[in-house]
Amino acid sequence: AQSVTQLDSQVPVFEEAPVELRCNYSSSVSVYLFWYVQYPNQGLQLLLKYLSGSTLVKGINGFEAEFNKSQTSFHLRKPSVHISDTAEYFCAVRQAPDSNYQLIWGAGTKLIIKP
Amino acid sequence: NAGVMQNPRHLVRRRGQEARLRCSPMKGHSHVYWYRQLPEEGLKFMVYLQKENIIDESGMPKERFSAEFPKEGPSILRIQQVVRGDSAAYFCASTLQGPGGTGELFFGEGSRLTVL
Repeated sequence: AQSVTQLDSQVPVFEEAPVELRCNYSSSVSVYLFWYVQYPNQGLQLLLKYLSGSTLVKGINGFEAEFNKSQTSFHLRKPSVHISDTAEYFCAVRQAPDSNYQLIWGAGTKLIIKP
Repeated sequence: NAGVMQNPRHLVRRRGQEARLRCSPMKGHSHVYWYRQLPEEGLKFMVYLQKENIIDESGMPKERFSAEFPKEGPSILRIQQVVRGDSAAYFCASTLQGPGGTGELFFGEGSRLTVL
C-alpha cells in the first residue's frame, strides 16, 4: 500500500532564508507526485507536480521539488522565502497511471516565516 | 472562469440538526471528491463521485453522512443529526479526468461547519 510521510509538522525559518520541506513516500509501482499549498482559511492550491521526465520540477511562487526514486523522496525547496509563503504544505502521491484514482496525502507541514 | 465553488463558506448548526454542503465543480469537470479536515490535521478522504454515480464512499461514515452528484446542479454532502465531532472544514475538489488521469485536483475554499 502507498503512504506518504511528511516528517516535519512545522518548519520555522527566517525570511529570505532557504527552506526544504521533506516528503517521503512508499510505493512498489511508479507514482505521480504533487505538492499543494494551503493558505490560512483557504482551499488547497497546486504548487507543482511530477508525472515523468526531468526529476527537477519547478512550480509556482519560486518553489521547486526533486524526485529521487532511489530514496523515494520528493522534497520541496525554495532558495529564499517570503512572509507570504506562510502556509501549510501537503505532499500527495498516486499510482501512475492506472485505474487507482486515489491521492494519498501526507499530514502536512506548516511553514512559519520569522521576520 | 470560475473555479470550484463551495457554499456556504461557514455553517453553524446545533446538535441534531442537518448540514447540507454544496460544491459546484470547475466547468467541464465531472468528477468530485469530498475531504474532511479537522483542526491541526491533514485531509481525510470521504467520497468520490462522478455525475449520477458514487465511485467510492469508503471514507465516509456509514451513518448520518450521504453524498450525491446529480446530472444537473452541484454535488451535495449531507450530514444528518450533526454532533460536535462533525465540526471541521469540508473541502470539495474536482478533476477533469477520472481513473487513469494525472489526478490533479482543483479545490474549493471549503465549508467550515461548527456544531454547537
